[in-house]
Amino acid sequence: AQSVTQLDSHVSVSEGTPVLLRCNYSSSYSPSLFWYVQHPNKGLQLLLKYTSAATLVKGINGFEAEFKKSETSFHLTKPSAHMSDAAEYFCVVSDPNRHSSASKIIFGSGTRLSIRP
Amino acid sequence: EPEVTQTPSHQVTQMGQEVILRCVPISNHLYFYWYRQILGQKVEFLVSFYNNEISEKSEIFDDQFSVERPDGSNFTLKIRSTKLEDSAMYFCASKAGSGNIQYFGAGTRLSVL
Repeated sequence: AQSVTQLDSHVSVSEGTPVLLRCNYSSSYSPSLFWYVQHPNKGLQLLLKYTSAATLVKGINGFEAEFKKSETSFHLTKPSAHMSDAAEYFCVVSDPNRHSSASKIIFGSGTRLSIRP
Repeated sequence: EPEVTQTPSHQVTQMGQEVILRCVPISNHLYFYWYRQILGQKVEFLVSFYNNEISEKSEIFDDQFSVERPDGSNFTLKIRSTKLEDSAMYFCASKAGSGNIQYFGAGTRLSVL
């Protein structure tokens, strides 16, 4: 079965400093991995996805993530935080259904990112 | 940009009442999902729907829950007799095809009193 662990429930950084949000996964298959972001009172927005192509994936708003199979990690990074990055971030793994292409996705517990002025 | 729309944004109901949460998926999408997030907990899968039938459902999705696509545009989640523990944020998602990017709505916050 697939699972995903986000190691930090809350991360706080100063504006202009790097962001690192950690994620480890467990998967029996070659996984598809995603990062979603949720701003207050908004839906879940896809930041980026990994689907077995390049291991370094670039997403929106300057975020990127690197798939490391040896470490079963998919950490999210950004070189310089902006106040608008304050939100909840979810690491997600796709759980393929062998009997259907309607595969569900499995969420990590989320990391709340706070940005200090 | 097309988006998934959910209504209402907040629903308050009494325990034992029926509620229907509504979703309008992106128009050319074929796969539909409901997830929920109890306050302070993970987002959990409830059900997936394709070709007018349920593809997969979780243990949470018991006989009190049902889904329907009544008119080719709406996708609804019905809870027959709400319980206090059904209070949560419910998210609808859709995807175009067998590729696996799901697009989410803003959610409906259900409060059961």
